[in-house]
Amino acid sequence: AQSVTQLGSHVSVSEGALVLLRCNYSSSVPPYLFWYVQYPNQGLQLLLKYTSAATLVKGINGFEAEFKKSETSFHLTKPSAHMSDAAEYFCAVSDPGGGSNYKLTFGKGTLLTVNP
Amino acid sequence: DGGITQSPKYLFRKEGQNVTLSCEQNLNHDAMYWYRQDPGQGLRLIYYSQIVNDFQKGDIAEGYSVSREKKESFPLTVTSAQKNPTAFYLCASRRHGQGSDQPQHFGDGTRLSIL
Repeated sequence: AQSVTQLGSHVSVSEGALVLLRCNYSSSVPPYLFWYVQYPNQGLQLLLKYTSAATLVKGINGFEAEFKKSETSFHLTKPSAHMSDAAEYFCAVSDPGGGSNYKLTFGKGTLLTVNP
Repeated sequence: DGGITQSPKYLFRKEGQNVTLSCEQNLNHDAMYWYRQDPGQGLRLIYYSQIVNDFQKGDIAEGYSVSREKKESFPLTVTSAQKNPTAFYLCASRRHGQGSDQPQHFGDGTRLSIL
């Protein structure tokens, strides 16, 4: 069974500082991985996805993530935080073989706070 | 613009009452999903449907029911058997048969509370 662990339920950074949100996965095969962002009282919006084409993936709003198979990690980064980045971020994994009918398994989320 | 519409945005349920949450999509997606979100618990899958007239239980289906009579619509009923229904409910859809690298697209959610 797949699982996702997001280290740190709450991360606080200063505006302009580096954002690093951690995600580790457990899967019997290299999975497909996704990062979503959720603003208060809204749905989830896709930030980026890893589908084995390239290990460094660039997404929207200046975010990127690097797939590291040896570390089973897919951490999300942004060089300089903006106030508008304050939101909750979710990492999710999907079985590339289509097992479980393409269901996503989500981490529990990391709330990012950006201080002025 | 294509997207997923969930209604209502806020819903209140009395004890012993069934309520139905609406989810409509115009993305021509085959697969649709319902999630429940509670603070600090991430998203948990309630039901999903790959094609019309077919659906499967997710991880927390007890106390919920769904139907999939049309490709565009996947309503969720929260029955009186669901003893703790207060949560944020999210509907999602994705292209089916395109590989599991296709992301799910989400609606803006319905917040259900008990009166």
